[in-house]
Amino acid sequence: GAGVSQSPSNKVTEKGKDVELRCDPISGHTALYWYRQSLGQGLEFLIYFQGNSAPDKSGLPSDRFSAERTGGSVSTLTIQRTQQEDSAVYLCASSFTSGWGYTFGSGTRLTVV
Amino acid sequence: GENVEQHPSTLSVQEGDSAVIKCTYSDSASNYFPWYKQELGKRPQLIIDIRSNVGEKKDQRIAVTLNKTAKHFSLHITETQPEDSAVYFCAASFIKAAGNKLTFGGGTRVLVKP
Repeated sequence: GAGVSQSPSNKVTEKGKDVELRCDPISGHTALYWYRQSLGQGLEFLIYFQGNSAPDKSGLPSDRFSAERTGGSVSTLTIQRTQQEDSAVYLCASSFTSGWGYTFGSGTRLTVV
Repeated sequence: GENVEQHPSTLSVQEGDSAVIKCTYSDSASNYFPWYKQELGKRPQLIIDIRSNVGEKKDQRIAVTLNKTAKHFSLHITETQPEDSAVYFCAASFIKAAGNKLTFGGGTRVLVKP
């Protein structure tokens, strides 16, 4: 597509429920990245994919967080048993293989109540 | 791993003045240093980047300088305008053939007063 597309744009969920966040990268971008941005804070790295494999998942905060990417395109970030501290904007970005010049999506604002 | 520190956290300037944001990085292997601008409620957008084989790069009112020896780089905005008001993030990475993630600084909130 023309840009990085994320869905949903907003998600309100009850504590303890599971959520799935979707990212559709720019066509031809083989690298895909997930970041988290809490209110007024910086960009916290979660995981990145090169094709369908994840060379670096060091930023996932706990085993409640997981991500997958299939077909070298769409990625899904899953948060199980959500907690209030999971509330944040989850940003996805993509780039060509090398990693120069990420393009970010508009993010998913997750609110856990 | 890489660690990026960014200063100041907030910066208020008068329209027409210059703004300077500084970042330091820890990994001497890092070779790619982009800057992103994030307006309120919007996605971060790449505004300029520099690679380690270059000391300075300019694009209209924006310039970035890199000092590899000291491991710091800076963003300079000249003739600031109200539309420059935003949060700016620096980042660093060691880009290799297989790709790599960016590590971001904590951000600088810039307010340009008319």
